[in-house]
Amino acid sequence: AQSVTQLDSHVSVSEGTPVLLRCNYSSSYSPSLFWYVQHPNKGLQLLLKYTSAATLVKGINGFEAEFKKSETSFHLTKPSAHMSDAAEYFCVVRHYNQGGKLIFGQGTELSVKP
Amino acid sequence: GAGVSQTPSNKVTEKGKYVELRCDPISGHTALYWYRQSLGQGPEFLIYFQGTGAADDSGLPNDRFFAVRPEGSVSTLKIQRTERGDSAVYLCASSREGGDTGELFFGEGSRLTVL
Repeated sequence: AQSVTQLDSHVSVSEGTPVLLRCNYSSSYSPSLFWYVQHPNKGLQLLLKYTSAATLVKGINGFEAEFKKSETSFHLTKPSAHMSDAAEYFCVVRHYNQGGKLIFGQGTELSVKP
Repeated sequence: GAGVSQTPSNKVTEKGKYVELRCDPISGHTALYWYRQSLGQGPEFLIYFQGTGAADDSGLPNDRFFAVRPEGSVSTLKIQRTERGDSAVYLCASSREGGDTGELFFGEGSRLTVL
């Protein structure tokens, strides 16, 4: 069975400093991995996705993530945080033959201090 | 350019009542998904439709939950004899096609509170 573990329930950074949100996955097969963002009272929005192409994936709003098979990790990073980045972030795995069935992590709440 | 629309946005009901939640997917999207998000948790898969048929309903918690998509577009999630534990945000998503490549677009959710 596949699963994801987000290692931090809450991360707080200062504006302009780097962001690191950690995610480890478990899957018997090559997974598709995603990061979604959820702003208050807004729908989930896809930030980026990994589907067995390049291991370094670039997403929207300056975010990127690196797929590391040896570490079963898919950490999300951004060089410089902006106040508008404050939101809940979800790491998500989809098994290769599970259609649209996504398995979400517990979420990491990102706070950005001025 | 409408996105996924869910109604109602908020629903308060009493324990034991029947509830319907509606999802209007993006036009042309053949796949539709329901998820449930409890407070402080990530969304949990409930059911996935490809066209009119339920391709995977393994996430429905029990037989009080049922979903339909009779014409392959709008879907309704139905909850009978609601319980306090059903309180959550119910999310709907759609994608252009099912399978492993379709990006899911989520609605803003229907918040259900069972008193």
